[in-house]
Amino acid sequence: DQQVKQNSPSLSVQEGRISILNCDYTNSMFDYFLWYKKYPAEGPTFLISISSIKDKNEDGRFTVFLNKSAKHLSLHIVPSQPGDSAVYFCAARRWNTGNQFYFGTGTSLTVIP
Amino acid sequence: DTGVSQDPRHKITKRGQNVTFRCDPISEHNRLYWYRQTLGQGPEFLTYFQNEAQLEKSRLLSDRFSAERPKGSFSTLEIQRTEQGDSAMYLCASSLGQGMDTQYFGPGTRLTVL
Repeated sequence: DQQVKQNSPSLSVQEGRISILNCDYTNSMFDYFLWYKKYPAEGPTFLISISSIKDKNEDGRFTVFLNKSAKHLSLHIVPSQPGDSAVYFCAARRWNTGNQFYFGTGTSLTVIP
Repeated sequence: DTGVSQDPRHKITKRGQNVTFRCDPISEHNRLYWYRQTLGQGPEFLTYFQNEAQLEKSRLLSDRFSAERPKGSFSTLEIQRTEQGDSAMYLCASSLGQGMDTQYFGPGTRLTVL
């Protein structure tokens, strides 16, 4: 049972444009959400996070939006750069089950120069 | 600042053999996690430690899998009698164990069972 879903396996964007990666979740008990970036043959690298008490968090070119009523999370990258090309995973934590993270299946972003 | 390290990075073994992986977390981190990732999937939680105590185990962690974290520092994950279905990337992560706790991942160990 996939509690965190990333329905777009891949996304291509022109350099300088906005990249929008989406994530949906099913469990209303999730209280903390994160985005990780992964290059081939490396482990996931933490990018940005958001608590369920907020609806937006910004860090430089990266902004995460949380819509709790829709159980939807998105990551905006502006402007996109070729070095952003990677697989992006969203993850969520359920407050009452210890500290395991539930991950989506990932979206492969390609930024075209 | 050293991140999470894992050893080995790659392991090829024959079915039925035992394998052991090591993870060294970020030094001040109290929590240590093991995940497994297969092709086209996100990481799946296996188990986690708070210091030396193993606090949670996933249903994915069959009795052929055992993890330890002696003295609350590095951790080992052993798989006994490996099967082809065990082929995956095994990821280790660590965190401070406070508040909205972010997990930092190591590079992973790629296991191939022939």
